[in-house]
Amino acid sequence: RKEVEQDPGPFNVPEGATVAFNCTYSNSASQSFFWYRQDCRKEPKLLMSVYSSGNEDGRFTAQLNRASQYISLLIRDSKLSDSATYLCVVNGRGNNFNKFYFGSGTKLNVKP
Amino acid sequence: EAGVVQSPRYKIIEKKQPVAFWCNPISGHNTLYWYLQNLGQGPELLIRYENEEAVDDSQLPKDRFSAERLKGVDSTLKIQPAELGDSAVYLCASSHHRRQGIGEAFFGQGTRLTVV
Repeated sequence: RKEVEQDPGPFNVPEGATVAFNCTYSNSASQSFFWYRQDCRKEPKLLMSVYSSGNEDGRFTAQLNRASQYISLLIRDSKLSDSATYLCVVNGRGNNFNKFYFGSGTKLNVKP
Repeated sequence: EAGVVQSPRYKIIEKKQPVAFWCNPISGHNTLYWYLQNLGQGPELLIRYENEEAVDDSQLPKDRFSAERLKGVDSTLKIQPAELGDSAVYLCASSHHRRQGIGEAFFGQGTRLTVV
């Protein structure tokens, strides 16, 4: 079983739509969670960290459900510029606490 | 602040030839990672350094891949000999431990390797 699993998509949505991605992780001892954004042929860049209480940054909201071991990312009022692949990232446990496990990414296409 | 710097950006080599990639992490970041990313996949860890020590190289194909981070700063990743299946993007990343937990990883622009 993979450490982190994501729906690869693609999610095709019109501008202005609200879209949500989920990601599940297998290591219940994980402490740090992140969403990264990766544009085509570019490196991954941090979008936001995910905190236990949930957190919001503008149009983006991230939530963590430890009991069910999933992380979500909600994008409101989608923009064309939101088109990218969104990577879910979880850290390891024990001696691997600063080892990051990446999901395969969820591709988002925002259409005019 | 300068980000993670990688070179070269692109490399095309014939199979069985050697190739090397270089990475300079963000200043002060003690953890350095080398990842491999295939098209449509997330980055997969090859090796992780804490300062100059390789603490996790379980995914590194040691028969042909090697890496070093001699002074705990910049690092090189080498493949010898390269195979067609090694064509991928090689990403370097660095992070800094914080008192409240790990910091996020910052990535370089990657080296796109094509083996022909």
